[in-house]
Amino acid sequence: NAGVTQTPKFRVLKTGQSMTLLCAQDMNHEYMYWYRQDPGMGLRLIHYSVGEGTTAKGEVPDGYNVSRLKKQNFLLGLESAAPSQTSVYFCASQTSGSHEQFFGPGTRLTVL
Amino acid sequence: AQSVTQLGSHVSVSEGALVLLRCNYSSSVPPYLFWYVQYPNQGLQLLLKYTTGATLVKGINGFEAEFKKSETSFHLTKPSAHMSDAAEYFCAVILTGGGNKLTFGTGTQLKVEL
Repeated sequence: NAGVTQTPKFRVLKTGQSMTLLCAQDMNHEYMYWYRQDPGMGLRLIHYSVGEGTTAKGEVPDGYNVSRLKKQNFLLGLESAAPSQTSVYFCASQTSGSHEQFFGPGTRLTVL
Repeated sequence: AQSVTQLGSHVSVSEGALVLLRCNYSSSVPPYLFWYVQYPNQGLQLLLKYTTGATLVKGINGFEAEFKKSETSFHLTKPSAHMSDAAEYFCAVILTGGGNKLTFGTGTQLKVEL
């Protein structure tokens, strides 16, 4: 049981480049979340999904897009990266019958 | 409006001393409350949670927290700190009517000294 995995672990982009972060979970969880963590700001919700084929905006969605084509995967896309998107990104998943979120190990993204 | 406030971005204690990390929430209706821990270069791990029932909640690694409605607080404590407790701790809430979305505090970095 791998839990929640994230790919890649590290990435450096130049301003204007695009990339996709992959989150995968093997716990058959319905809900999945993308957060960003910045110093002194805690974790802020970017987008989330309550089931396959559904997505919704969180607190800081601008500049990001997501897709949940399969229940086990939740993709976070940056179409045109900006230095303000330099952050650590965490994915989490949760079953609908519980309030506990399980977190992945994070992706450290630097945009130059 | 800030839903959850953690007082003290950095707390330092001696090994064996009491750990007290403070968390207050702002909601007229008691939310669901959580404490998560983040060890260096890792994701977050649930320490404990309060949803309903007993207001004193025990978690992993000897931590506990007490929900006090009158003080709108959910402070995290541990009687005796260990070096392995050094980490960042996050208080989080799920607000009534907020679905399952967690709102996190800004975190408290705990340092444990010999």
